[in-house]
Amino acid sequence: AAGVIQSPRHLIKEKRETATLKCYPIPRHDTVYWYQQGPGQDPQFLISFYEKMQSDKGSIPDRFSAQQFSDYHSELNMSSLELGDSALYFCASSRGRPSTDTQYFGPGTRLTVL
Amino acid sequence: KQEVTQIPAALSVPEGENLVLNCSFTDSAIYNLQWFRQDPGKGLTSLLLIQSSQREQTSGRLNASLDKSSGRSTLYIAASQPGDSATYLCAVPSGAGSYQLTFGKGTKLSVIP
Repeated sequence: AAGVIQSPRHLIKEKRETATLKCYPIPRHDTVYWYQQGPGQDPQFLISFYEKMQSDKGSIPDRFSAQQFSDYHSELNMSSLELGDSALYFCASSRGRPSTDTQYFGPGTRLTVL
Repeated sequence: KQEVTQIPAALSVPEGENLVLNCSFTDSAIYNLQWFRQDPGKGLTSLLLIQSSQREQTSGRLNASLDKSSGRSTLYIAASQPGDSATYLCAVPSGAGSYQLTFGKGTKLSVIP
């Protein structure tokens, strides 16, 4: 079965650089979620989109922005990167609003900021 | 604000034992609860989803129960195997109609051969 695809899987950036993470949801899923998991931490919700509109917002820094495109894939743009942004970034997808379906998680993008 | 607590934080058992992981949440106005498994440095694998109208869900050797009124869920693992070693997280929506999941800090399970 198709799963959530995230790219790249690993990313190394310098402080103050910009990074773009991509997420391709499971086919026919219209809701996308982004989570950040720091070392030894539980995942923290950043933002979600339903039908290309922002549906919920969590602890996403102002330096980050995201959108969902017409083909339902989503991108998380991160600017002025800081050391503390080093984390595992997960994308998840599901069907429906509000979601009563399982959120299926991708494998994550490991971002390292040097 | 939804808060999720998981007890114990770590658990070590010999292979073959049955075990129970606990999850409690503060806001009982949830529409579902999910249990996930996470291997070190890896992604989250959904194990079970329990809708608020359900009391139990089973998948193979896993059984999850939900007592919404008391804000509790348990994950029962039967006949544990070394391959079950991982961190198990429970997650609930952050509020009525919320899209975001609030996670517990997980229970790190080690099954000793």
